[in-house]
Amino acid sequence: RKEVEQDPGPFNVPEGATVAFNCTYSNSASQSFFWYRQDCRKEPKLLMSVYSSGNEDGRFTAQLNRASQYISLLIRDSKLSDSATYLCVVNTNAGKSTFGDGTTLTVKP
Amino acid sequence: DTGVSQDPRHKITKRGQNVTFRCDPISEHNRLYWYRQTLGQGPEFLTYFQNEAQLEKSRLLSDRFSAERPKGSFSTLEIQRTEQGDSAMYLCASSLGWGTESGQYFGPGTRLTVT
Repeated sequence: RKEVEQDPGPFNVPEGATVAFNCTYSNSASQSFFWYRQDCRKEPKLLMSVYSSGNEDGRFTAQLNRASQYISLLIRDSKLSDSATYLCVVNTNAGKSTFGDGTTLTVKP
Repeated sequence: DTGVSQDPRHKITKRGQNVTFRCDPISEHNRLYWYRQTLGQGPEFLTYFQNEAQLEKSRLLSDRFSAERPKGSFSTLEIQRTEQGDSAMYLCASSLGWGTESGQYFGPGTRLTVT
């Protein structure tokens, strides 16, 4: 079983839709959590941090559930430009970062 | 451009040769990471430096891989006796922080092809 698991998708949604991704992790010692987006043949780009109290940035909301060991990302009012692969990342205090394999989102007109 | 830079961007080598990649992090960042990524997979953690100290190294990394960050600034990743299975994108990332991670910024990567 992988340390960080994501539904690979693909998620195909129309413009304006709301879409949610989940990510589960197995290492209970994990301390910090992030979402990144990666466009085809590009490097990952930091999207947002994830906190237990929730974190909102415009149309994007991230949430952490430590008890159940999962993190989520909600995208409201999807845009064509949101089409990408979304990667969740889990870090330990020792410095090890573990990425999921990503969830692919395609937003269609 | 003050982002993370990597050199070279592409490398083609024959099996058995040694290769070395360079990463220049964002100047004020004290943390530096190396990852390997293949198609359809997320980045796979290889190693992590805080300043010049290599604090974490993946158990998946064989003895053919070595990384250095001698002055706490740029870093090099060397692969000895390359194998076809080493073909991948090698990504470097940097971040600023002490203790809890603050989020990493990636370079464009070095694409390695072993023939």
